[in-house]
Amino acid sequence: GAVVSQHPSRVICKSGTSVKIECRSLDFQATTMFWYRQFPKQSLMLMATSNEGSKATYEQGVEKDKFLINHASLTLSTLTVTSAHPEDSSFYICSARGLDRGPGYTFGSGTRLTVV
Amino acid sequence: AQRVTQPEKLLSVFKGAPVELKCNYSYSGSPELFWYVQYSRQRLQLLLRHISRESIKGFTADLNKGETSFHLKKPFAQEEDSAMYYCALSGNNQGGKLIFGQGTELSVKP
Repeated sequence: GAVVSQHPSRVICKSGTSVKIECRSLDFQATTMFWYRQFPKQSLMLMATSNEGSKATYEQGVEKDKFLINHASLTLSTLTVTSAHPEDSSFYICSARGLDRGPGYTFGSGTRLTVV
Repeated sequence: AQRVTQPEKLLSVFKGAPVELKCNYSYSGSPELFWYVQYSRQRLQLLLRHISRESIKGFTADLNKGETSFHLKKPFAQEEDSAMYYCALSGNNQGGKLIFGQGTELSVKP
C-alpha cells in the first residue's frame, strides 16, 4: 500500500533556531500534501495544504513566515519551523494524496518537536 | 463552514459490549466521510470511508445525510479496539483537505 515516510521522528532544538521536517511519498506521486499539528490528547489541526510546484495554502491563523512549506517534487514536501519558540513544541504530521492512489490520504508517522 | 463534531472525548466499554462512536458534521455540499484510528504510538490509519460501504475489523459506519451523522459501530468490542478514533470530512470545494473531529478515545476493558 501507499507509504509516507516522515523524518525526523523526534527533534529537540534551541529557541531561536530553525527545524526542517521532511515528508516523502515512497511508492506514489503525492500531488497534494497536508501538514497538521496535534497537541496532546487533541485532534489534528490542519496548518496548510501544498500542491506540487505551487505555493502552499495556509489555514487561518497559521503564520506562513514561521511555518515554511516547500513541495518542490511529487515525492517530497518539507515543513520548516523558523525561529522556533517553546510554544511551537508539538507533534507535526504530514499527509499525502496522489491522483494515482484515488482520493485516499496516507499519513506520516509524525514528528515530535521540542523547543527548549 | 465545514465542521466535524465528536461529542464524546472518552468512551469506556467492557469486552463484548456494543460500541457506537458518534460523529456529526456540518458541510454545505456533498462531503466524503472517513473514520481514522490511531493505536498507541502508531500513525493514523484509515478505518472506513463512507463511499466504500465496507466493514473493517467488524466496524461499520453509515452516512445519514438527514441527520448529518456518520456514527461508527461495532456489535462486540474487543480489547484490541482500544485506540483513538477520529472522524474526518473532505469536500469537493475544500481543495481536498481533510478536516478532523476532536477524536474519541475508546477503552475496552476485559
